[in-house]
Amino acid sequence: AQSVTQLGSHVSVSEGALVLLRCNYSSSVPPYLFWYVQYPNQGLQLLLKYTSAATLVKGINGFEAEFKKSETSFHLTKPSAHMSDAAEYFCAVTSRGNDYKLSFGAGTTVTVRA
Amino acid sequence: SQTIHQWPATLVQPVGSPLSLECTVEGTSNPNLYWYRQAAGRGLQLLFYSVGIGQISSEVPQNLSASRPQDRQFILSSKKLLLSDSGFYLCAWRRQGVNTEAFFGQGTRLTVV
Repeated sequence: AQSVTQLGSHVSVSEGALVLLRCNYSSSVPPYLFWYVQYPNQGLQLLLKYTSAATLVKGINGFEAEFKKSETSFHLTKPSAHMSDAAEYFCAVTSRGNDYKLSFGAGTTVTVRA
Repeated sequence: SQTIHQWPATLVQPVGSPLSLECTVEGTSNPNLYWYRQAAGRGLQLLFYSVGIGQISSEVPQNLSASRPQDRQFILSSKKLLLSDSGFYLCAWRRQGVNTEAFFGQGTRLTVV
């Protein structure tokens, strides 16, 4: 079954610093990958998705992610953190063979220090 | 445009009581529908998904059940709640087909006391 692993349940960054959130997938076939953001007591909002058209994917709010097949990774980055980036971030995966299931990682909580 | 409605937003229920959470989608047809549960530090656990009316797939054996009586309606139920059923429940929908993202409702915070 497809799965993703998010390294680091909690990340703390200074305002203006680089944000790096790690996600690795387990699959012998490159899957479809997504990053979502969740603000407290709300549903999830899509940040970006990997469609296999390009390995570097740009999303909303200045986030981007790079698909690296050799590393089975899809890490999320933002060059300069803003206070409003404080939230929980989830990596998710669905299989090309079975597109019904969308499975999520455990999530990474980001705090931004002033 | 498509919208997803999930209610109630919060719910406090005693142990042993029944549960019914409802989710409806507007502006699309024949969506894939999902129920997830979110517990602190454990990410989103897929509970049920449905690819059509009356078609329910269960991911985790538990005290809950799901039904899809209409194309855009998805219901999560329990006959007798347990303390361990507490959590944040999220409904989501996706278009049929590969590589489609999920759109989430605002969630229901369930506390079983």
